[in-house]
Amino acid sequence: QKEVEQNSGPLSVPEGAIASLNCTYSDRVSQSFFWYRQYSGKSPELIMSIYSNGDKEDGRFTAQLNKASQYVSLLIRDSQPSDSATYLCVRGAGSYQLTFGKGTKLSVIP
Amino acid sequence: DGGITQSPKYLFRKEGQNVTLSCEQNLNHDAMYWYRQDPGQGLRLIYYSQIVNDFQKGDIAEGYSVSREKKESFPLTVTSAQKNPTAFYLCASSIGAGTFYEQYFGPGTRLTVT
Repeated sequence: QKEVEQNSGPLSVPEGAIASLNCTYSDRVSQSFFWYRQYSGKSPELIMSIYSNGDKEDGRFTAQLNKASQYVSLLIRDSQPSDSATYLCVRGAGSYQLTFGKGTKLSVIP
Repeated sequence: DGGITQSPKYLFRKEGQNVTLSCEQNLNHDAMYWYRQDPGQGLRLIYYSQIVNDFQKGDIAEGYSVSREKKESFPLTVTSAQKNPTAFYLCASSIGAGTFYEQYFGPGTRLTVT
């Protein structure tokens, strides 16, 4: 079973701090990774995609991928209360099927 | 505005009834997907379709059926054979088929069967 592991949280950070969300996966063939944000009762919305080792930045968000360590992370700078949500780590490996983690709940405290 | 629509937002049915969930997209995406989400669980793939008139089973297809007669539409039928149908159902689409393509989700349908 190819798993995606995330700490369920909740992860609490003060407003303005950096939130660091981590994800590990259990195989070496994963090729694509995605981070989704899901507010309570809503559908997931795509934040970032990353395919190669290193960092990818988009506004306040930075995704980091280390395939050798089988580790992917999402950093949120200058965290805002509106960032409070569950963040889903998702991997793709060949075929057409993505594997979703169960999500980390982030709470940004004003 | 381009996007994915799902209807209805909430659906209530009695056990033993079939029910069809609608999913429409105007993004001109080739691939479409159905997932279900249960509390504390990751999203699980029910069915996916790469092109019109073609679809494949995902991990949990038992008790579900789909059709893809038009590129824009991918309805899901939850049959009475599905043992635990109460869940949040999410439709998604991507410009192409394959795990390199970003998937975008509709707003979801919350189905309750009693």
